[in-house]
Amino acid sequence: AQKITQTQPGMFVQEKEAVTLDCTYDTSDPSYGLFWYKQPSSGEMIFLIYQGSYDQQNATEGRYSLNFQKARKSANLVISASQLGDSAMYFCAMRSSNFGNEKLTFGTGTRLTIIP
Amino acid sequence: DTEVTQTPKHLVMGMTNKKSLKCEQHMGHRAMYWYKQKAKKPPELMFVYSYEKLSINESVPSRFSPECPNSSLLNLHLHALQPEDSALYLCASSQPQGRLEQFFGPGTRLTVL
Repeated sequence: AQKITQTQPGMFVQEKEAVTLDCTYDTSDPSYGLFWYKQPSSGEMIFLIYQGSYDQQNATEGRYSLNFQKARKSANLVISASQLGDSAMYFCAMRSSNFGNEKLTFGTGTRLTIIP
Repeated sequence: DTEVTQTPKHLVMGMTNKKSLKCEQHMGHRAMYWYKQKAKKPPELMFVYSYEKLSINESVPSRFSPECPNSSLLNLHLHALQPEDSALYLCASSQPQGRLEQFFGPGTRLTVL
């Protein structure tokens, strides 16, 4: 069974500093995908970044990068130069397959608050 | 167009009412999803439609009835709900295979009185 663990329920970070949100996962599938989503207070889930298990390089999307350490089964999200608008809930998720039907399994989330 | 739309944005209903939630996407995606999200919790998958056929039902009570009339539309019919069903209901779409990057709608905040 697949499992995603986010151990930081909440984080407070000064504006313009970099922040790392932790995510570890457990799966027996050789092929899998890892995602990070941002959920502001408005409720919409916003896709941030994707890392495939066979990708040779760590994924980057603008200020977001994913520190993928396959042997340690971790996929931490790094946000550089944080902004007030980064305050939100952040979810790590993993693609899993169930009898050929693929779905996402989410971690419990980390609430990030950026302090001016 | 990379948008998933959901209507209504807010819904208040009594336990004897029948109502429907609607979701629409025009990205050509062939997989659509319903999630339920309680406050301060991650989204919980309810249903998955792949090529307009129900492929996953996560043991959801029958008072929730999904429907996929075509590849762009997804409905969730609600009947005889309980107060504990109050939550944010999120719709998402993706290609049914591959990266499975899901695009989410803004959600419907449902309150059951």
